[in-house]
Amino acid sequence: KQEVTQIPAALSVPEGENLVLNCSFTDSAIYNLQWFRQDPGKGLTSLLLIQSSQREQTSGRLNASLDKSSGRSTLYIAASQPGDSATYLCAVPLPHYGGSQGNLIFGKGTKLSVKP
Amino acid sequence: GAVVSQHPSRVICKSGTSVKIECRSLDFQATTMFWYRQFPKQSLMLMATSNEGSKATYEQGVEKDKFLINHASLTLSTLTVTSAHPEDSSFYICSAGGSATDTQYFGPGTRLTVL
Repeated sequence: KQEVTQIPAALSVPEGENLVLNCSFTDSAIYNLQWFRQDPGKGLTSLLLIQSSQREQTSGRLNASLDKSSGRSTLYIAASQPGDSATYLCAVPLPHYGGSQGNLIFGKGTKLSVKP
Repeated sequence: GAVVSQHPSRVICKSGTSVKIECRSLDFQATTMFWYRQFPKQSLMLMATSNEGSKATYEQGVEKDKFLINHASLTLSTLTVTSAHPEDSSFYICSAGGSATDTQYFGPGTRLTVL
């Protein structure tokens, strides 16, 4: 059974600091891994999608890495800003879904607070 | 990118009433939509998979007679919470997307509060 774990559960940093969020999964047979951002009371915004054949993806100040063999992914945020404050979730599709629409399994998220 | 909308964004209802939540893909056709719910401090949990023109597939522990899902067109899926109770109060999110290799596009969510 696939399980997704995120550490830490909460993180508070001063503005400008670089930070790393961690995500681990128990079954390495994944199609991809996705990082999302969730603002309080809001839906999800997809940040980065890493295919199983990729090692990393970058978007602006965000960089996500994937190590399938160890079942880990990290989300690196450079030069953090107060506007980055949100909950960050990682998710993987159920393994061996056969290429059809993928149901996602989410971690509980890391709540990030960037203080001015 | 693709846009998914949900309506309403917030709803407060009395115990015993039914509430319908709409999920629409605005600029693409979604043969499959997913319904999730999120309780406070919990991760998103998949409730059901909704396929256009066929019956929804429910996850274990989700009552199909309580959470009615209709996917009548390629751009609209609805979730009806029947005879809602306070324990149904939650954040309900839908998503639509392509194959397992593609991004799922999420709606903004609906906050349901049952008094």
